[in-house]
Amino acid sequence: AQSVTQPDIHITVSEGASLELRCNYSYGATPYLFWYVQSPGQGLQLLLKYFSGDTLVQGIKGFEAEFKRSQSSFNLRKPSVHWSDAAEYFCAVGGLTGGGNKLTFGTGTQLKVEL
Amino acid sequence: NAGVTQTPKFRILKIGQSMTLQCTQDMNHNYMYWYRQDPGMGLKLIYYSVGAGITDKGEVPNGYNVSRSTTEDFPLRLELAAPSQTSVYFCASSLGPGPPLSGNTIYFGEGSWLTVV
Repeated sequence: AQSVTQPDIHITVSEGASLELRCNYSYGATPYLFWYVQSPGQGLQLLLKYFSGDTLVQGIKGFEAEFKRSQSSFNLRKPSVHWSDAAEYFCAVGGLTGGGNKLTFGTGTQLKVEL
Repeated sequence: NAGVTQTPKFRILKIGQSMTLQCTQDMNHNYMYWYRQDPGMGLKLIYYSVGAGITDKGEVPNGYNVSRSTTEDFPLRLELAAPSQTSVYFCASSLGPGPPLSGNTIYFGEGSWLTVV
């Protein structure tokens, strides 16, 4: 069964500092990996996704993530955090099981940005 | 560009009451999904549909029912509401079955906050 682990429940960074959110996955085949962001009271917005090819993927809002198969990781990074980045971030792994594009989500990392 | 629209956004139910969460999408997507999100947890798949007239159970289907009479609509019904169903519900849709052939992305609605008391 596929699974996703986000080991950090909360992270606090200062505005302008760099950010790395960790994500480890378990999947029996080639994983399809996603990062979503959820602002308070809002739905989920896709930041970026990895399907194949270049292991460093660029997303919206200046985010990037690197797929490392040997470490089963897909960590999200941003070189300089802005106060508006405060939100909850979810890593997800996708797969086809009996039809349908099913995502398995991690438990999320809450990001707080100090001014 | 409405995307995925859910109603209502907030609802309080009494134990044993029934209600339907509405979901509609205007992107002509074949696949639709219902997830629930509990505090400190990720999203769990309740039901999904691969096209009109076809539905299937996800990870946590108990206490819920769905139907898919049209491509656009995928309502979620709670028959006998229980406190354990207090959660945030997200409807989502995607064009097809997912990567790698089409690189399909799942689009989410803004959520429905449901409290059962």
